[in-house]
Amino acid sequence: ETGVTQTPRHLVMGMTNKKSLKCEQHLGHNAMYWYKQSAKKPLELMFVYSLEERVENNSVPSRFSPECPNSSHLFLHLHTLQPEDSALYLCASSQDEFAGANVLTFGAGSRLTVL
Amino acid sequence: GQQLNQSPQSMFIQEGEDVSMNCTSSSIFNTWLWYKQDPGEGPVLLIALYKAGELTSNGRLTAQFGITRKDSFLNISASIPSDVGIYFCAGGSGNTPLVFGKGTRLSVIA
Repeated sequence: ETGVTQTPRHLVMGMTNKKSLKCEQHLGHNAMYWYKQSAKKPLELMFVYSLEERVENNSVPSRFSPECPNSSHLFLHLHTLQPEDSALYLCASSQDEFAGANVLTFGAGSRLTVL
Repeated sequence: GQQLNQSPQSMFIQEGEDVSMNCTSSSIFNTWLWYKQDPGEGPVLLIALYKAGELTSNGRLTAQFGITRKDSFLNISASIPSDVGIYFCAGGSGNTPLVFGKGTRLSVIA
C-alpha cells in the first residue's frame, strides 16, 4: 500500500447508528487531517493531528469524534449523525502540521450518506 | 477568515482547446497549490508554487504565483478528455491551515 488509504469508500448509516471511518498513511508523515467536502463548498477542515496530538478542532459537532492512535492511523467515529452530515470525508497527511510549504496528500475519501 | 475566489466555477470546452482558471484573495499567501480531483477520488497535487512571480510547468499544465502574492492562475494547453475533473487552488501562509477555493469543474467535449 502506498499513499493515504481510506476505508470504507462508501457508507450508508441511519441517524442512530455508530460507525467509524479509517485512514492510514504510508508516507512517514507527522500530521494527519480530516476534511469534509460538500457540493459547491470549499473543503472544510475538521481536525488536525500532529504526532498523535490534536492541534486543531474547527468547532466540529461532538457527534464527530476523532482518534489518532499513532502517526500512521486516524479514525473518525460517527454517532447520531444528521442528514446534513452526508458528504465526502477526506483524510490527508503532510510532513508537519500546517506550514504553507507542506503539501497535503489526500486519500480517495469516504462517501457518507446519512438516512 | 481568509477566502479564495476561484473562477470560473465551471467550464465546457472542446478537446484541444486551452484552458485558464484563476484564484484571487484579499490576503497574502506564501504558497499556492493546485489540485485536481477526479470523480470519486480525492484531490491530487498538480503544481506547488513557493515564490512570488514563480512560473512552473507540469506537462501541459502551467501555473503562476502572482507577483502580489494574492493570486494564482492555472493554464492547461491542448485539453484532452482525461482533463475532466474539478480543479482546486489552495493558499498557505505561516502556521495556518491551507485555504481552499470552491473549485473549477472542467468538462471536455470530444
